[in-house]
Amino acid sequence: DAKTTQPPSMDCAEGRAANLPCNHSTISGNEYVYWYRQIHSQGPQYIIHGLKNNETNEMASLIITEDRKSSTLILPHATLRDTAVYYCIVSSAGGSYIPTFGRGTSLIVHP
Amino acid sequence: KAGVTQTPRYLIKTRGQQVTLSCSPISGHRSVSWYQQTPGQGLQFLFEYFSETQRNKGNFPGRFSGRQFSNSRSEMNVSTLELGDSALYLCASSLGRGGTEAFFGQGTRLTVV
Repeated sequence: DAKTTQPPSMDCAEGRAANLPCNHSTISGNEYVYWYRQIHSQGPQYIIHGLKNNETNEMASLIITEDRKSSTLILPHATLRDTAVYYCIVSSAGGSYIPTFGRGTSLIVHP
Repeated sequence: KAGVTQTPRYLIKTRGQQVTLSCSPISGHRSVSWYQQTPGQGLQFLFEYFSETQRNKGNFPGRFSGRQFSNSRSEMNVSTLELGDSALYLCASSLGRGGTEAFFGQGTRLTVV
């Protein structure tokens, strides 16, 4: 599976949009981009995933560049409860899917 | 629908003992993966079971083992516990094919003294 690069930390004001970048320059054509987050001492929580097109759900939006080498997770109106470590993962569409986690981005939402 | 259930939530064991952790996946999910999380190493993949067979394995010693039952529930066992085995153990449930998401339990916090 392709490797991802994320900034180690970011901060955001409550109520503002949080834009978390992820670089996956070696992604191959059949690999999905997944985002998870982990709030302290809890299990990771699935947020969203996509292949080529931008995706939106009730939690977030995922913007994937046309060349698929990078993506951005957008939390449109961040709240204090969004403070967590966010993981960007790429994984093949074929065979088994085993999320492989890096260090992620620690997002702090402040009042 | 019910989420992924891990039991027990907390456990304290002594060096040299063995421990068994349990994971009940989401109904209909046939894949269960196990992870170890420590502050120093982050989230590390242990192994994955699919339809009662170990399908993938991470880089952990043979003291770490697991199994999956016909109802997809899974157990992992750690024998001859070491202090370094103290960690949060997480299991993830999924349909077991690419393009689908994984759902995690709350984990079992194991402390070895």
